[in-house]
Amino acid sequence: DTAVSQTPKYLVTQMGNDKSIKCEQNLGHDTMYWYKQDSKKFLKIMFSYNNKELIINETVPNRFSPKSPDKAHLNLHINSLELGDSAVYFCASSRTNEKLFFGSGTQLSVL
Amino acid sequence: AQRVTQPEKLLSVFKGAPVELKCNYSYSGSPELFWYVQYSRQRLQLLLRHISRESIKGFTADLNKGETSFHLKKPFAQEEDSAMYYCALEYGNKLVFGAGTILRVKS
Repeated sequence: DTAVSQTPKYLVTQMGNDKSIKCEQNLGHDTMYWYKQDSKKFLKIMFSYNNKELIINETVPNRFSPKSPDKAHLNLHINSLELGDSAVYFCASSRTNEKLFFGSGTQLSVL
Repeated sequence: AQRVTQPEKLLSVFKGAPVELKCNYSYSGSPELFWYVQYSRQRLQLLLRHISRESIKGFTADLNKGETSFHLKKPFAQEEDSAMYYCALEYGNKLVFGAGTILRVKS
């Protein structure tokens, strides 16, 4: 009965590969987010979708592409992975303008 | 630009001592502020938000617009309070986080 679940928890891959992180929420929320936590523990928003529509797209390389097949899912696809992409990525969801519920994070390590 | 500053990376206190985790923000509008907590091996979760004026697990935070601060306080720290604490500012649909402060409560 996990509220916001993201898979995988750990992802180790080589530079240049393409990978995806999946996120699903069963809370009936209409907004979903992707945050990146860098090595200094700073959390930055990357994308936000509301009812499957992209509403926030921060300055993120084009190699990152979110996809929201429905309101309950927001996947993050990353092309041509680089060393600097290594971080913990957090998915979150909320009702519009209400508090966020976070997933447990995906630790991405690019070698 | 909107910014959240948590000046301390690490705060170490003894059990039973008072705790104050500092948070300052930069925002020209009317701020909505939160404290999030991440316990070891657990997900980030909301601790409290200023508009609720609530006390959660003994923690309180008061918004001081004059000082642009939203410090998190607890009169008597407990070992289970050890965690990473993030202050966050919401504007529009965005949530901007501070860099976080690790709180270590020693016995």
